[in-house]
Amino acid sequence: QSALTQPRSVSGSPGQSVTISCTGTSSDVGGYNYVSWYQQHPGKAPKLLIYDVSKRPSGVPDRFSGSKSGNTASLTISGLQAEDEADYYCCSYGGSHPWVFGGGTKVTVL
Amino acid sequence: EVQLVESGGGLVPPGGSLRLSCTASGFIFSSYSMNWVRQAPGKGLEWVSYIGSSRTTRYYADSAKGRFTISRDNVKNSLYLQMNSLRAEDTAVYYCAREPHGGNSMDIWGQGTMVTVSS
Repeated sequence: QSALTQPRSVSGSPGQSVTISCTGTSSDVGGYNYVSWYQQHPGKAPKLLIYDVSKRPSGVPDRFSGSKSGNTASLTISGLQAEDEADYYCCSYGGSHPWVFGGGTKVTVL
Repeated sequence: EVQLVESGGGLVPPGGSLRLSCTASGFIFSSYSMNWVRQAPGKGLEWVSYIGSSRTTRYYADSAKGRFTISRDNVKNSLYLQMNSLRAEDTAVYYCAREPHGGNSMDIWGQGTMVTVSS
């Protein structure tokens, strides 16, 4: 199972919006509506931001939103804030190998 | 408080073995599927293994197949990962993570335990 493809880094100024893409195949991202996104600050455990493509757990700000088209999922952070600077990982259900992660994207707030 | 706490990491020589533990609290452990996910230094997340709530279903990443064994003790609220024939490339922080009911994701993560494979 190959890792999902994410851009290595994205950046934006406070208040702007950034979008992170996550490209897989019809065997994972395209085949199931089970894409999740995680935020990880340095030295910390990952935190669930989005599940089932576009659902937010309680407590996650609505600045974070998810979507999917074909084999590509996306995470959009609107109204970028300083505390959003972190690494972001997508993850998809992949059938017999249940979970496959993306390589991660570093978000920098300029 | 819902919590997962990993333990058992350390320094082990190549070819050695290690058993990781993950102790759950604050929720009914026996009703949740669980996963192990690892992160090599400076690298991304890599799913390692999954076990269903009833222990009958287990999956492994190709990198772990034949060397790692996932298990659980629902009486002790504990998840385990027995790692044998360890290699340098197994060096990583190992996290245990819970799958929520009806949500295909990992909603609760432990703080991780570091495994270093080196002579």
